[in-house]
Amino acid sequence: GQQVMQIPQYQHVQEGEDFTTYCNSSTTLSNIQWYKQRPGGHPVFLIQLVKSGEVKKQKRLTFQFGEAKKNSSLHITATQTTDVGTYFCAGPGGNTGKLIFGQGTTLQVKP
Amino acid sequence: EAGVTQFPSHSVIEKGQTVTLRCDPISGHDNLYWYRRVMGKEIKFLLHFVKESKQDESGMPNNRFLAERTGGTYSTLKVQPAELEDSGVYFCASSPRTSASTDTQYFGPGTRLTVL
Repeated sequence: GQQVMQIPQYQHVQEGEDFTTYCNSSTTLSNIQWYKQRPGGHPVFLIQLVKSGEVKKQKRLTFQFGEAKKNSSLHITATQTTDVGTYFCAGPGGNTGKLIFGQGTTLQVKP
Repeated sequence: EAGVTQFPSHSVIEKGQTVTLRCDPISGHDNLYWYRRVMGKEIKFLLHFVKESKQDESGMPNNRFLAERTGGTYSTLKVQPAELEDSGVYFCASSPRTSASTDTQYFGPGTRLTVL
């Protein structure tokens, strides 16, 4: 069945360093969504990418959607302690709205 | 506008017991989803309601799980009898539209279920 793979599973960085998480789907996606879950919290929607090759920025976060619409990345520039959490990518599993999530990348930031 | 709410926040039960989780979606949202995250793994889809109808229940693990959404408002997810592998965090999410593949899903805080 459809799978979404995400790497790395964990990343420890020093505050101020950059961070990137990568997401790959076994199938072409109509869109890809990114969520952030803080420790003890719930997934919070960050962004949705729809177009092939699309790049979107939110302050220090840069999101990319691959040309083939099968991969995506999230890059954080100059991490801060507030960036700590688990970042999930998710693609639609069909057209009913259910999401297929990657395993998530847990980011730890050392002050 | 109130967000998605879930009750209880935590539940600790013994194997073989029954537990019922409740989700109240954002008012007016037709779509309601249940997901589960087992420790350290990905968030997995369980099922999807559109109003009171089950649109997709392909993710339900087995017949020990029963979900309902009477009247198309809140939903319950009952696990009976609970097994050790049912432990995890159960999230509910809602979105507004009936053609929902591009909708943002708003997640509730989750119910952490521990089966001993």
